[in-house]
Amino acid sequence: DAGITQSPRHKVTETGTPVTLRCHQTENHRYMYWYRQDPGHGLRLIHYSYGVKDTDKGEVSDGYSVSRSKTEDFLLTLESATSSQTSVYFCATWTGRSSYNEQFFGPGTRLTVL
Amino acid sequence: AQTVTQSQPEMSVREAETVTLSCTYDTSESDYYLFWYKQPPSRQMILVIRQEAYKQQNATENRFSVNFQKAAKSFSLKISDSQLGDAAMYFCAYRGLTQGGSEKLVFGKGTKLTVNP
Repeated sequence: DAGITQSPRHKVTETGTPVTLRCHQTENHRYMYWYRQDPGHGLRLIHYSYGVKDTDKGEVSDGYSVSRSKTEDFLLTLESATSSQTSVYFCATWTGRSSYNEQFFGPGTRLTVL
Repeated sequence: AQTVTQSQPEMSVREAETVTLSCTYDTSESDYYLFWYKQPPSRQMILVIRQEAYKQQNATENRFSVNFQKAAKSFSLKISDSQLGDAAMYFCAYRGLTQGGSEKLVFGKGTKLTVNP
């Protein structure tokens, strides 16, 4: 699992409140990703990072921002949570191109926005 | 943009039998990787098998094997001797190898596999 932890693992919040999810990795992987998983949609990429302070948008980035000030940490922020952001959020890391080429996933965070 | 399609939202199989999950993808790239991930009720994403597009030989991992048809852009997963522990969501995923943002996995919507005793 490449030593990926996510915090919190579960969160219930109210519409309009800010929320920050944290992803922490211990393997010094260059790339980090945030996905959301919703029934019938599989995993969809929100944002990703290809290095410290280097980030880019994924396919469902509206309403989300990210920051990566250290290699090991990648934060996902919902500035003003909405009910449509109720989902399971996964962090993932990737070493970059190698013969192994596996993307590793964290355990997920279940977020409920009431 | 690359897309991955899993046309079977749900599948079921009897224990000890064989089941095949379908996946097709669309890409203009010639070199890429394909993956099958398993997600049990614990939600943990587990890599089942990977295939490099430049390799003609189909990948195998114990009871799991793929049928990779590059020209048809098809990547099906065969599970032999199915076990109760195989019950899970299975996701097909694609990773391109070109520069400029393709270092992302594109996922299908998943197939829920039920294994019946």
